[in-house]
Amino acid sequence: DAKTTQPPSMDCAEGRAANLPCNHSTISGNEYVYWYRQIHSQGPQYIIHGLKNNETNEMASLIITEDRKSSTLILPHATLRDTAVYYCIVRAGDDKIIFGKGTRLHILP
Amino acid sequence: GAGVSQSPRYKVTKRGQDVALRCDPISGHVSLYWYRQALGQGPEFLTYFNYEAQQDKSGLPNDRFSAERPEGSISTLTIQRTEQRDSAMYRCASSAQGYLTGELFFGEGSRLTVL
Repeated sequence: DAKTTQPPSMDCAEGRAANLPCNHSTISGNEYVYWYRQIHSQGPQYIIHGLKNNETNEMASLIITEDRKSSTLILPHATLRDTAVYYCIVRAGDDKIIFGKGTRLHILP
Repeated sequence: GAGVSQSPRYKVTKRGQDVALRCDPISGHVSLYWYRQALGQGPEFLTYFNYEAQQDKSGLPNDRFSAERPEGSISTLTIQRTEQRDSAMYRCASSAQGYLTGELFFGEGSRLTVL
């Protein structure tokens, strides 16, 4: 079973920042937070991951609360191509990676 | 270098037939995962390997499903006596060792249709 809770869907205007929340209140100290997205019928694509510090790469930023019970994925300037299902996953070490239902993000023109 | 390659891309079979789906991971990748995805649903974990060792097969639905990775590279997912409910997209992914083990690279999938 997925260890995360995400809203089923969200809208964001093109050019604005998309902020996708994720709750993981039962996260353990050795579990990382991962984000993936899946565009239409393609395979899932890795976005970013972190343990407790905020992380940023060319795709997105990951903000993890101090108590690590929730996190937010930020797409700084959303485009229509960012329309996808976004999955938040918690995972320890090299354990299996379990996808939940994710958030369907619609970018509005 | 090439990405994760899956074959066949499309497979149509009759109920009761056996099917074998192949995954060729990125060269040197240690971990290999199999997922199943129904339309409109998230990927459902089936099994995964580190090298040739099957680490977890708890997601395999029943004993008609099996997977192997005998030399730690190419993997085959076999479904025996297929049923209509087995129709889905089957996705394979691989990852490197160490800190990046959670960064999975997915193939384009094998779409199975059981008539």
